[in-house]
Amino acid sequence: QQQVKQSPQSLIVQKGGISIINCAYENTAFDYFPWYQQFPGKGPALLIAIRPDVSEKKEGRFTISFNKSAKQFSLHIMDSQPGDSATYFCAASRSGTYKYIFGTGTRLKVLA
Amino acid sequence: DTEVTQTPKHLVMGMTNKKSLKCEQHMGHRAMYWYKQKAKKPPELMFVYSYEKLSINESVPSRFSPECPNSSLLNLHLHALQPEDSALYLCASSQGTVSNQPQHFGDGTRLSIL
Repeated sequence: QQQVKQSPQSLIVQKGGISIINCAYENTAFDYFPWYQQFPGKGPALLIAIRPDVSEKKEGRFTISFNKSAKQFSLHIMDSQPGDSATYFCAASRSGTYKYIFGTGTRLKVLA
Repeated sequence: DTEVTQTPKHLVMGMTNKKSLKCEQHMGHRAMYWYKQKAKKPPELMFVYSYEKLSINESVPSRFSPECPNSSLLNLHLHALQPEDSALYLCASSQGTVSNQPQHFGDGTRLSIL
């Protein structure tokens, strides 16, 4: 029940295309869902985060869609660029704890 | 550049050595974290300090010893490590309130155990 399932494991997208990464969770107590971007040799960087009181959040080319009833959330990267090539992790946590439950990661490659 | 600074960036040590990893943040955050990350895997939580007190220890072997000298600094003391401890060690910080706040990561220390 503590798991966050992330898919796909890897993704190849053409430049200008839309990249979509999906995560699913079981624990309905989770109430904070961040996405992290990690480049090789770097630490994870917070990309965007959402709380379950909204169904969508957009920041530039990055959008989180959240479906509370399905217990799923996804990251959409519009107009994908080669510089977006990185590993993306979703995570979930609940109030009262400092613990993040991370998904297994998605390696995105955007072809020029 | 990240606002969480970790030193050294790389560390190679033998199994009998003693070394320390350091982490510093000046964002006024009151929660600080140590994570271990293996290649192609997500970060695994090791320790959490909240207001300079150890809040969470994820059953980490005693050869890893954390220390939080003040609200800006976090150390991880290493002794008698094993080859399987080779990994990227990440420090993170967050505001430290009980409600969810984003964690900000440093770029890590790449540790290799000979």
